[in-house]
Amino acid sequence: KNEVEQSPQNLTAQEGEFITINCSYSVGISALHWLQQHPGGGIVSLFMLSSGKKKHGRLIATINIQEKHSSLHITASHPRDSAVYICAVRVGSRLTFGEGTQLTVNP
Amino acid sequence: EAEVAQSPRYKITEKSQAVAFWCDPISGHATLYWYRQILGQGPELLVQFQDESVVDDSQLPKDRFSAERLKGVDSTLKIQPAELGDSAMYLCASSPTTGLPYEQYFGPGTRLTVT
Repeated sequence: KNEVEQSPQNLTAQEGEFITINCSYSVGISALHWLQQHPGGGIVSLFMLSSGKKKHGRLIATINIQEKHSSLHITASHPRDSAVYICAVRVGSRLTFGEGTQLTVNP
Repeated sequence: EAEVAQSPRYKITEKSQAVAFWCDPISGHATLYWYRQILGQGPELLVQFQDESVVDDSQLPKDRFSAERLKGVDSTLKIQPAELGDSAMYLCASSPTTGLPYEQYFGPGTRLTVT
């Protein structure tokens, strides 16, 4: 079993829909990261959080430390949100990554 | 805005050949990471440097892979000889330091195809 599990693996939505991507982990962590990877490979950091909730524009990330679970929400989704979203957990100085969720938002 | 630079962006090589990738982290970032990402999977750490010292290379296949960061600034990752299974995206990232949960800043990656 991977230390970091994401669901769903693939997600297709219509423009405007509310999106939720989930991440569960099995180890004690100091922080959790949500990352976005577009075709071509470049990775952009969206959030780093260790408790509670963070919001940036249409993106919201939450974490429940006791339940070892985090969610990434996208409100009013848009085709430009289409990308792979990756959850990564920090244990010590190392990041362990989930396999990613491929999101496709259709117009 | 400062960025992590990597070159080349794409590399095609034949198996048994040598290949090298270069990374220039954001200026002032002490920690540098090399990751390998196989298609459809998340990145996997190959090696982590703190300045010029290796902090973690437990996942680096040392029989064929080597990495150096001689002056604690830019870094080179080498594969010799390349194998078909090495086809992947090689990502470099940097962060201000290690220990604390600083964000990592990723470069655009080098996509390697071994034929």
